[in-house]
Amino acid sequence: QVQLVQSGAEVKKPGASVKVSCEASGYTFTSYYLHWVRQAPGQGLEWMGIINPSGGSTNYAQKFQGRVTMTSDTSTSTIYMELSSLRSEDTAVYYCARSSGALDSWGQGTLVTVSS
Amino acid sequence: SYVLTQPPSVSVAPGKTARIPCGGNNIGSKSVHWYQQKPGQAPVVVIYYDSDRPSGIPERFSGSNSGNTATLTISRVEAGDEADYYCQVWDSSSDHRVFGGGTKLTVL
Repeated sequence: QVQLVQSGAEVKKPGASVKVSCEASGYTFTSYYLHWVRQAPGQGLEWMGIINPSGGSTNYAQKFQGRVTMTSDTSTSTIYMELSSLRSEDTAVYYCARSSGALDSWGQGTLVTVSS
Repeated sequence: SYVLTQPPSVSVAPGKTARIPCGGNNIGSKSVHWYQQKPGQAPVVVIYYDSDRPSGIPERFSGSNSGNTATLTISRVEAGDEADYYCQVWDSSSDHRVFGGGTKLTVL
């Protein structure tokens, strides 16, 4: 079955960077685009961007342009999301999700806390 | 950028029908996906491409999309349907995905 397993929770100071991983299994890694979606405490879902695991092309939401980098490692079927210049408003659960039109499989989420 | 508008909350009695709207400019020309999210859990798709239902999702869940409003309908609502529901589309002009703000469904 399709599984997306994300790295563990992180605590970062303002101004730092965080890198979250998402390891895929149960399907052909290069056949589906993968997304990153975040959810601040008590808030809704916010789309951050998409990566084509085959080739690594990306498309980021305007809000995160210049601060986010999404990468792919086909040798380990893993994608990464790095967010820089962290501020308190970036405290959120970060999800990876596979798309086949809809986002049909989601990781378990990674809590990133930004606090001094 | 494209905006999707959902009411913050909808309440319904058990056994009744809940309708959750998702408004957007000419949304009927786009494909709409719906997600259910329960507290502490990742979202789960309950309707895709306007009205298709993934395997494992009860037939009580249905979707429609026309004009400026897409609607998720949940028939014979059960206590276990209490959750947040999000609509989502692909905005072709930006090649970005967009989520609605979410609707909290309360079963009275």
